[in-house]
Amino acid sequence: AQSVTQLGSHVSVSEGALVLLRCNYSSSVPPYLFWYVQYPNQGLQLLLKYTSAATLVKGINGFEAEFKKSETSFHLTKPSAHMSDAAEYFCAVSASGNTPLVFGKGTRLSVIA
Amino acid sequence: DADVTQTPRNRITKTGKRIMLECSQTKGHDRMYWYRQDPGLGLRLIYYSFDVKDINKGEISDGYSVSRQAQAKFSLSLESAIPNQTALYFCATSVTGGTGELFFGEGSRLTVL
Repeated sequence: AQSVTQLGSHVSVSEGALVLLRCNYSSSVPPYLFWYVQYPNQGLQLLLKYTSAATLVKGINGFEAEFKKSETSFHLTKPSAHMSDAAEYFCAVSASGNTPLVFGKGTRLSVIA
Repeated sequence: DADVTQTPRNRITKTGKRIMLECSQTKGHDRMYWYRQDPGLGLRLIYYSFDVKDINKGEISDGYSVSRQAQAKFSLSLESAIPNQTALYFCATSVTGGTGELFFGEGSRLTVL
């Protein structure tokens, strides 16, 4: 069975500081991995996805994530936080394109001026 | 216009009432899903459908039913609403043969008193 663990339900960073949101997954087969963002009072939109091509994946708004099979991790990073990055972030895994995504519990990112 | 449209966007109802949440999409995707979001619990899968004649239970289907009326329409029903079904409900779609990437509606906020 697939599962996702997001370490830290709330992360707070200063504007301009590094953003690091952690995601570890469990999957019996090489997975597809996703990061979604949810801004206040909005739906979810895709930030980036790993589909077994390059292990370093670049997404929208300056975010990127690195797939590390040995660590079963897919952590999300951004070099310099902006106030507009304040949102909730969800990591998700699918063992194949034929199984629905399984989501982590989410990490709320706060950015302090 | 949104590719995935959910109605109603907000609904307040009373315990024991029957509620239907509707979802329609113009993306031409065969696969549709209903997820529920609760604070601190992330998104959990209620039901999903890979085509018009296919319905599958998800992680938390008890107390819910669905109907896939057409390729573009997938509705979620609560036969007798209870307060712990108060949540934000998301409809999503994905393409057959893809990575499982989900495309979300804006959400339906349901409050059961």
